[in-house]
Amino acid sequence: SQTIHQWPATLVQPVGSPLSLECTVEGTSNPNLYWYRQAAGRGLQLLFYSVGIGQISSEVPQNLSASRPQDRQFILSSKKLLLSDSGFYLCAWSVQGGSSGNTIYFGEGSWLTVV
Amino acid sequence: AQSVTQLDSHVSVSEGTPVLLRCNYSSSYSPSLFWYVQHPNKGLQLLLKYTSAATLVKGINGFEAEFKKSETSFHLTKPSAHMSDAAEYFCVVIDRGSTLGRLYFGRGTQLTVWP
Repeated sequence: SQTIHQWPATLVQPVGSPLSLECTVEGTSNPNLYWYRQAAGRGLQLLFYSVGIGQISSEVPQNLSASRPQDRQFILSSKKLLLSDSGFYLCAWSVQGGSSGNTIYFGEGSWLTVV
Repeated sequence: AQSVTQLDSHVSVSEGTPVLLRCNYSSSYSPSLFWYVQHPNKGLQLLLKYTSAATLVKGINGFEAEFKKSETSFHLTKPSAHMSDAAEYFCVVIDRGSTLGRLYFGRGTQLTVWP
């Protein structure tokens, strides 16, 4: 069965510090990978998605970047965090077609507080 | 264009009474529809999905939803609420024509269950 791991679960970072959130998927090959952000009191916002190694698309201009160095690894980064980067970040994956259809499966999330 | 409207930001019910969480969608193409649940500080868990088979979809934990094309609705119901159902619920739509599994989220409905 497929599983998704995301870490760290929580972190508190000062303004201007770097960020690295990592996500890995097991049990599947060539998944679509996503990073979402859920700010307090708001819905989910798609930040980045990837259909393959090194292929990253950004949905919104922001202070963040994403990379996919391996097929099942997706990393969310920032060189200098802003206060507005605080929120709950969710990694997700999907496989086109097959029994999963277009279903997206989420990791447990990472709480980021920028102070 | 695709969009999802969750008609209630908060719903409160007593334990043992029925639950109704309302969702309306708009989609240019034949949609797939999902309900996800998010418990505090947790990732999103798939409750159920509609992808073109039976219009009444049964999910986990006793939840079900009915796809009504004429009303463009996909309301989530449960006959009898349990304390553990207290969480935030998201209605999600995706165009089946999308190759990237891009989801459109409602803003969420917070379900409170009173003892």
